[in-house]
Amino acid sequence: ILNVEQSPQSLHVQEGDSTNFTCSFPSSNFYALHWYRWETAKSPEALFVMTLNGDEKKKGRISATLNTKEGYSYLYIKGSQPEDSATYLCAFRRAGGSYIPTFGRGTSLIVHP
Amino acid sequence: DAGVTQSPTHLIKTRGQHVTLRCSPISGHKSVSWYQQVLGQGPQFIFQYYEKEERGRGNFPDRFSARQFPNYSSELNVNALLLGDSALYLCASSLNRGMGQPQHFGDGTRLSIL
Repeated sequence: ILNVEQSPQSLHVQEGDSTNFTCSFPSSNFYALHWYRWETAKSPEALFVMTLNGDEKKKGRISATLNTKEGYSYLYIKGSQPEDSATYLCAFRRAGGSYIPTFGRGTSLIVHP
Repeated sequence: DAGVTQSPTHLIKTRGQHVTLRCSPISGHKSVSWYQQVLGQGPQFIFQYYEKEERGRGNFPDRFSARQFPNYSSELNVNALLLGDSALYLCASSLNRGMGQPQHFGDGTRLSIL
């Protein structure tokens, strides 16, 4: 059983704050790491697919980094807005076999106006 | 363009019954995956189908089965329903099975077992 851990479990910030959270995954047999944003009453939305050690991806105020050797990825949100409130999920895909994705439990972010 | 569509949106069944959930992928997407999401947990992978063949199976009992049709839509079937099968069932599609392919999710089917 693969262990994909996300921390913190939940986070409350004020509008304008910058924040970051972590996804930890096994450091061996890395294939890909996916980040998703899941807003209440909507479907999960793909943010980033990260495949190479040292990858850095950016989409507007959100960015992510990847360290496959130590098994972690950070997601950063600069200048949080209330519309950023959502659960942020990461999914690790291991090389070999069927490349089945294993999701973490997510980080719930609430941005207060 | 239409996104991933799932039906029904909500379903109530009793223990021992059978259920069929349906998913239509984004036009042009050939890969469909199914997930089960229980409150407080991340989505758990159930199946992946690509070009109408099963390409991956998660740790679920044989009561769970699926198939993909020539138009790439998919059905998830669950037999002999148990209380523990109550969950949100998500379908996701992608162009293919490639490494860089993001998955596009539907809104899910909320299944409640009484």
